[in-house]
Amino acid sequence: SQTIHQWPATLVQPVGSPLSLECTVEGTSNPNLYWYRQAAGRGLQLLFYSVGIGQISSEVPQNLSASRPQDRQFILSSKKLLLSDSGFYLCAWSYWDGSLRPNGYTFGSGTRLTVV
Amino acid sequence: GENVEQHPSTLSVQEGDSAVIKCTYSDSASNYFPWYKQELGKRPQLIIDIRSNVGEKKDQRIAVTLNKTAKHFSLHITETQPEDSAVYFCAASNGYSTLTFGKGTMLLVSP
Repeated sequence: SQTIHQWPATLVQPVGSPLSLECTVEGTSNPNLYWYRQAAGRGLQLLFYSVGIGQISSEVPQNLSASRPQDRQFILSSKKLLLSDSGFYLCAWSYWDGSLRPNGYTFGSGTRLTVV
Repeated sequence: GENVEQHPSTLSVQEGDSAVIKCTYSDSASNYFPWYKQELGKRPQLIIDIRSNVGEKKDQRIAVTLNKTAKHFSLHITETQPEDSAVYFCAASNGYSTLTFGKGTMLLVSP
C-alpha cells in the first residue's frame, strides 16, 4: 500500500532563517506531488505541484521554492522566512495512470510552521 | 480555470439531523468531484468522490449528488454525530489540471 511521510510535524523558525520541509511517498511510482499551505482559517492554497523529477509548477509567486530530486521526494524550501509564511503545510500525492483520468489526493500529516 | 464555490461556510446542526453542503463549479469539462473531511489540526482525508458518469453515490451515512447540467454537487450526511464535526472541502478536476478546492464548510454537530 502507498504511504506518504512528511516531516517535521512542527517547526518554529525565526524571521529570515531558511526552511526545508521534506515529503516522501512509498509504494508507488511516478506520483503527482503537491505542496499546499493552510493559513489560520480553512482554505487550501496550492503552492507547487510536480508531475515528474525536476518538473515543478508554481501556483503562487512568493519566497518559497520546491524541488523534486527523486521520483518520490518533494522538498519545500525558503532562503529567508517571513512572518507571513506561518501556516500548516501539507504535502499530497495522487496516482497517475498515464491517462487524464483524475484521482483524489492523499495528504501527508502536515507541518505546522510558526515564524517568530 | 476552474472556480469552485462552496456553501455554507459554517453549518450547525443537532445530533441526528441531516447536513447538506453544496458546491458549484464553473468548468463544464470537470469530471471528478471528491469531498474531504479535515478534523481540527489534522490532514484532509478523502471521504467520498463521484465521477461525471454517475449522478449519485452513497457510503453508509454519506452521499454525494451531482447535477452536471446545473454544474453543482452536494454532500449529504444523515443522522449526524458529534464526530462528524469538522471542516469539509469539495473539489473539482477535469483531469488536465490540479484539483480546485472550495473554501470549506465548518460543520458543528451539537449533542
